[in-house]
Amino acid sequence: SQTIHQWPATLVQPVGSPLSLECTVEGTSNPNLYWYRQAAGRGLQLLFYSVGIGQISSEVPQNLSASRPQDRQFILSSKKLLLSDSGFYLCAWSRDRYSGKGYTFGSGTRLTVV
Amino acid sequence: EDKVVQSPLSLVVHEGDTVTLNCSYEVTNFRSLLWYKQEKKAPTFLFMLTSSGIEKKSGRLSSILDKKELFSILNITATQTGDSAIYLCAALTGNQFYFGTGTSLTVIP
Repeated sequence: SQTIHQWPATLVQPVGSPLSLECTVEGTSNPNLYWYRQAAGRGLQLLFYSVGIGQISSEVPQNLSASRPQDRQFILSSKKLLLSDSGFYLCAWSRDRYSGKGYTFGSGTRLTVV
Repeated sequence: EDKVVQSPLSLVVHEGDTVTLNCSYEVTNFRSLLWYKQEKKAPTFLFMLTSSGIEKKSGRLSSILDKKELFSILNITATQTGDSAIYLCAALTGNQFYFGTGTSLTVIP
């Protein structure tokens, strides 16, 4: 069966520090991978999606970046965090864009920038 | 601009009540409408609706899609405290999912 792992679960970082959140998927190959952010009181906002190694599409301009160094690994990074980067970050995967259950989500990372 | 709007934003009910959550969408190349339940962490899948007028049911939860009026509803009957969560709907288009802001449901014993 397929599983998705995301870490860390919580993170408190000072403004201006770097960020690296990691997500890995097991039990499938060539998944579509996604990073979402959920700010307080708001819905899920798509940040990045990837259909293959090295293929990253950015949906929202910001100081975050994403990389996919391996087929089942997706990394969200920042060189210098801003206060506005605080939120709940979710990694997700799907077999294809039209899979019957939509996405399968990771457990999320709650990031607080102080 | 593609958008998904959910209402109400929050709802507080007593155990045993029936609730109806609303989701309207305006997206190009609409394919399906999905409902998720989000408790403390990751959203979990509830329903995927593609055809109008066909109700999907899972226990006390049911949902239906109206592609003419561009909305969906999620009904929960005989609510329990375990139903307390944020309920998200998402419209799947040709390219991606668009999520609504969610409805926060609190069920009081």
